[in-house]
Amino acid sequence: DAGITQSPRHKVTETGTPVTLRCHQTENHRYMYWYRQDPGHGLRLIHYSYGVKDTDKGEVSDGYSVSRSKTEDFLLTLESATSSQTSVYFCAIGDRTTGETQYFGPGTRLLVL
Amino acid sequence: AQSVTQLGSHVSVSEGALVLLRCNYSSSVPPYLFWYVQYPNQGLQLLLKYTTGATLVKGINGFEAEFKKSETSFHLTKPSAHMSDAAEYFCAVSGAYGGSQGNLIFGKGTKLSVKP
Repeated sequence: DAGITQSPRHKVTETGTPVTLRCHQTENHRYMYWYRQDPGHGLRLIHYSYGVKDTDKGEVSDGYSVSRSKTEDFLLTLESATSSQTSVYFCAIGDRTTGETQYFGPGTRLLVL
Repeated sequence: AQSVTQLGSHVSVSEGALVLLRCNYSSSVPPYLFWYVQYPNQGLQLLLKYTTGATLVKGINGFEAEFKKSETSFHLTKPSAHMSDAAEYFCAVSGAYGGSQGNLIFGKGTKLSVKP
């Protein structure tokens, strides 16, 4: 596996609380991505980063923010969690010199009650 | 803009039978095409990809896919299914020119079951 870790791996939280998920890579890839996976929807891009402090929105960015202060870390924050944000969240890394191939982390399972 | 359609959310085959998972794409720029596999409770793993060159692409675990531009298809095949192939398979497309079009767009996935 590419050197990608996600923390926490599982989290249960209550509606209205802030939640931060962390993605850490040891591969020095420029691009990092956050996806959510829901049954019947495949993977949908939330936000991505193309360098330190350089981020952009994806398909389903409402209710989420991200930060990247170091090459190796990409944080996803749910400012005020809602039940619709219950999902499995995947981080991915990529280097576009390899033809857009992305490598995925193990995922974080989030339950918002 | 790009989009991906995977025909069949569930496919069931017998062990030893041909596996065929269908993927059609739409892209306004030359596409890069990918197949990923996801085993239960794991992340996605790259099976194979097409960027340029030979249109028949071989991947891991005996899988291959053929890029057919005229049919806008990238179907995944394996001649003989193994029990260990049971997983969910995702087709994805990105634009060859990079930028935001370089992001991956995924299909909704096809869950493959293999019967003994």
